[in-house]
Amino acid sequence: DVKVTQSSRYLVKRTGEKVFLECVQDMDHENMFWYRQDPGLGLRLIYFSYDVKMKEKGDIPEGYSVSREKKERFSLILESASTNQTSMYLCASSLVLSNQPQHFGDGTRLSIL
Amino acid sequence: AQTVTQSQPEMSVQEAETVTLSCTYDTSESDYYLFWYKQPPSRQMILVIRQEAYKQQNATENRFSVNFQKAAKSFSLKISDSQLGDAAMYFCAYRTRGSNYKLTFGKGTLLTVNP
Repeated sequence: DVKVTQSSRYLVKRTGEKVFLECVQDMDHENMFWYRQDPGLGLRLIYFSYDVKMKEKGDIPEGYSVSREKKERFSLILESASTNQTSMYLCASSLVLSNQPQHFGDGTRLSIL
Repeated sequence: AQTVTQSQPEMSVQEAETVTLSCTYDTSESDYYLFWYKQPPSRQMILVIRQEAYKQQNATENRFSVNFQKAAKSFSLKISDSQLGDAAMYFCAYRTRGSNYKLTFGKGTLLTVNP
């Protein structure tokens, strides 16, 4: 089974802090994704990566950056956390073929105080 | 741009009964993939079923089946013999063939299963 592991289930940070969310997958998937999930809004794509050191912006990249130095690891960075970034963050990975599903981690519930 | 609409924010069903969750999408593409994902409370999102647009036959996975109406751009999920473990948020998602990344999700339907 594919395993996508997010480093924290719950995280509380303060406004202005630099926040790192880590994600690791164990299936040698080319694609990795970061989503934000908010009630009534569904999942919105923040960034994705299709190869090491390659990244593309999703629908809501403002206030976020990402890093993919190794194929199995994809990090989401909140450069200066703000209260409107309080949300559930989901990491996913997939093979490059478009008929392949994305596999999700358990999510990180991030609160910015 | 593609959009996915789930018109039912919440649904409920009695245990052992059948329920259908609706999903419509808007696209100008002819070849694409559709997915239903399930997210139980505080648990991981998992794939329930997928449909390839070029296949006319509706996909089936055990108690889960879809009614895919390509002309109407409709992709509903039917859950038969509902079980308590089916209670979850269900998301419909779309991906264009050849697009290696972008899944467009609906806003979700929260399904409650009553004993």
